[in-house]
Amino acid sequence: SQTIHQWPATLVQPVGSPLSLECTVEGTSNPNLYWYRQAAGRGLQLLFYSVGIGQISSEVPQNLSASRPQDRQFILSSKKLLLSDSGFYLCAWSVRLVQETQYFGPGTRLLVL
Amino acid sequence: KQEVTQIPAALSVPEGENLVLNCSFTDSAIYNLQWFRQDPGKGLTSLLLIQSSQREQTSGRLNASLDKSSGRSTLYIAASQPGDSATYLCAVSAGGSGGSNYKLTFGKGTLLTVNP
Repeated sequence: SQTIHQWPATLVQPVGSPLSLECTVEGTSNPNLYWYRQAAGRGLQLLFYSVGIGQISSEVPQNLSASRPQDRQFILSSKKLLLSDSGFYLCAWSVRLVQETQYFGPGTRLLVL
Repeated sequence: KQEVTQIPAALSVPEGENLVLNCSFTDSAIYNLQWFRQDPGKGLTSLLLIQSSQREQTSGRLNASLDKSSGRSTLYIAASQPGDSATYLCAVSAGGSGGSNYKLTFGKGTLLTVNP
């Protein structure tokens, strides 16, 4: 069966510090991968999606970036965090060639102080 | 730009009651519509997925309908239980080719509380 992991589960970072959140998927190959952010009162917002290694599409301008160094690994990064980067970050995957449901990870809660 | 609205934002009902959650979307050119459940501090769990060519889907006590032309969907929960308490999110997948149909646009959700 497929599983999706995210770490860390919780993170408290000072403004201006770097960020690296990791997501890995097990039990499937060539998945589509997604990063979402859920901020209070704003709903779930798609940040990045990837259809293959090294292929990243950005949905919103921001100081975040994403990378996919391996087929089942998706990383969300920032060089300098802003207060507005606080939120709940969710990684998800879906089957590559068929648009089905997306399967979500447990999330990382980020608080920038 | 697709916008998804969910009404009501919050709902509190006694156990055993049947209830309806509403979702509307502005662009009817969708690939599918999904309903998710989110427990506090957790990720999302897919409940039902309705393809754009379908009218409804059922799973246990849950029934979701889709009226694509009017841009509306409803999630019907029968005989609600305290364990149904969670936030319910509606999401639509963009139509089109290439990567665009992989994108989900979410509503802000309905917070459901079922009181024993």
